[in-house]
Amino acid sequence: ILNVEQSPQSLHVQEGDSTNFTCSFPSSNFYALHWYRWETAKSPEALFVMTLNGDEKKKGRISATLNTKEGYSYLYIKGSQPEDSATYLCAFSRTGNQFYFGTGTSLTVIP
Amino acid sequence: KAGVTQTPRYLIKTRGQQVTLSCSPISGHRSVSWYQQTPGQGLQFLFEYFSETQRNKGNFPGRFSGRQFSNSRSEMNVSTLELGDSALYLCASSPGLAGAFYNEQFFGPGTRLTVL
Repeated sequence: ILNVEQSPQSLHVQEGDSTNFTCSFPSSNFYALHWYRWETAKSPEALFVMTLNGDEKKKGRISATLNTKEGYSYLYIKGSQPEDSATYLCAFSRTGNQFYFGTGTSLTVIP
Repeated sequence: KAGVTQTPRYLIKTRGQQVTLSCSPISGHRSVSWYQQTPGQGLQFLFEYFSETQRNKGNFPGRFSGRQFSNSRSEMNVSTLELGDSALYLCASSPGLAGAFYNEQFFGPGTRLTVL
């Protein structure tokens, strides 16, 4: 069984706060790490695909980093807004065809 | 481009019955993966189909099966339903080919199955 762990499990922040979450995965046989945002009653939406050690990706106020040697990725949200409230999932892949998901970090941004 | 569609969106069954869920992938995508999500659990991988063949399989009992048709549409079947099968079932489609943007998966809205 391949473990992908995310922390914290849930987070409540005030509007305007910056926050970050962690995704830990096996450091061997790495192929790709995916981040998804999943809003209630919607489909998970892809945020980033990260493939190289040291990768940094950015989309607006959201950014992510990747360390494949130690097996972790960070997702950062700068100046959180209520519309950022969602569950953030990471998924690890060894072959590109099978994804192993973490349990997610549930973010609530309080106006 | 139309997204991934799943039918039905909601389903109520009783223990012992069987159920079939359907997933239509994005046009041109050849891979369809199925996931189960239960409260407190992450997305648990069920299986992946590519070009009508099961390519990967998760750790689920044989009551869970699937198939893929020549148009890449996929169905998932659960026989002899148990209360614990109540969950959200998501399918995701991807190109399925090596190097194709790392096979980013695009998810459907899910089917909410309730077993009474």
